[in-house]
Amino acid sequence: GAVVSQHPSRVICKSGTSVKIECRSLDFQATTMFWYRQFPKQSLMLMATSNEGSKATYEQGVEKDKFLINHASLTLSTLTVTSAHPEDSSFYICSATGPSRDGYTFGSGTRLTVV
Amino acid sequence: QKEVEQNSGPLSVPEGAIASLNCTYSDRGSQSFFWYRQYSGKSPELIMSIYSNGDKEDGRFTAQLNKASQYVSLLIRDSQPSDSATYLCAVRDASGTYKYIFGTGTRLKVLA
Repeated sequence: GAVVSQHPSRVICKSGTSVKIECRSLDFQATTMFWYRQFPKQSLMLMATSNEGSKATYEQGVEKDKFLINHASLTLSTLTVTSAHPEDSSFYICSATGPSRDGYTFGSGTRLTVV
Repeated sequence: QKEVEQNSGPLSVPEGAIASLNCTYSDRGSQSFFWYRQYSGKSPELIMSIYSNGDKEDGRFTAQLNKASQYVSLLIRDSQPSDSATYLCAVRDASGTYKYIFGTGTRLKVLA
């Protein structure tokens, strides 16, 4: 089945630094990947749609200069949280639509803590 | 604004009982519906997809769709303590993209 790998699973960083999260489709090509953020006891909120070879499409209210998305290949999308602050602490999850297009496959998520 | 609504719960059922989870959505044009299970601290995993009105069964899970009522449900038969999790209803955006709109999830507790 479709597998999406996400790294790192946990990261703690200092306020003001940048953090890069990688999302890879292991056994299929993903022209589109999605980045979600989830705060405790809340649902998934779509941040942006990552399109291979083009600029990401950000949802309303998401700062594109703060959350940099790069989708340089058909199997890799990265999310960089720039100048992270404690309020950026959250669970970030990527997803992709597999070849069957029958639902998303999610990565394992990244727990970001900014101190 | 397109919405997907779920009762946040918790829904508590005894082991072996049927758990019934419900979801309503606002976009009448939606055609694709999904149920995901999310354990605490983990990412969601797909349980079922449903595209046509009626029931779709997969093992102990049955998804039910009623497009006229804009209603999706998930039944879990013979509930087990390991089924205790948050269940997320997702609706694919009808605009033709693969964006999904998620409900807030229903927390299920299966009591041993």
